[in-house]
Amino acid sequence: KQEVTQIPAALSVPEGENLVLNCSFTDSAIYNLQWFRQDPGKGLTSLLLIQSSQREQTSGRLNASLDKSSGRSTLYIAASQPGDSATYLCAVRRSGSRLTFGEGTQLTVNP
Amino acid sequence: SAVISQKPSRDICQRGTSLTIQCQVDSQVTMMFWYRQQPGQSLTLIATANQGSEATYESGFVIDKFPISRPNLTFSTLTVSNMSPEDSSIYLCSVGGRAGVDHEQYFGPGTRLTVT
Repeated sequence: KQEVTQIPAALSVPEGENLVLNCSFTDSAIYNLQWFRQDPGKGLTSLLLIQSSQREQTSGRLNASLDKSSGRSTLYIAASQPGDSATYLCAVRRSGSRLTFGEGTQLTVNP
Repeated sequence: SAVISQKPSRDICQRGTSLTIQCQVDSQVTMMFWYRQQPGQSLTLIATANQGSEATYESGFVIDKFPISRPNLTFSTLTVSNMSPEDSSIYLCSVGGRAGVDHEQYFGPGTRLTVT
């Protein structure tokens, strides 16, 4: 059974700091990995999708990496802003269309 | 990307009643999914809504409790039946990319359900 773990569970940083969120998964036989953002009480916004054959994806200030063999992914956020405050979820797709989610990292960026 | 809307956005219901949540997508999609997010927890897949056939339920979820309809490629409903306070959650509709399972999955804004 695929298990996804995100560390840390919560993170508080001052504005402007660069930060890294971690995601690990137990079964490396994945199709892809997706990072989402969730604001309180809201749905999920897709941030980045990395296929199993890719090493990283970038979008603006976000960079996600994937090391499939070690079962790890990181989400790097550069020059953090208060608007980045949200819960960040990592999800892997192993078989069929089923996504397995981590518990999320709750990020607070302080002005 | 796909634009997904859900109705209602939130509701407060009494135990023992049922609520039907609607999910509308702006384009035809093959795969539609329903997830539950209990307070303070991550997302759990309830079922995959299949067009033209019965939904496929995950372990721990049954059709009698969560009946699902998928009448066409842009619409689905999830009913939460005979509700109890433990059903208080955010229910999210999700769709897979048009190209199939290897592409991005998108989520609706969610329906926040509180059962009293």
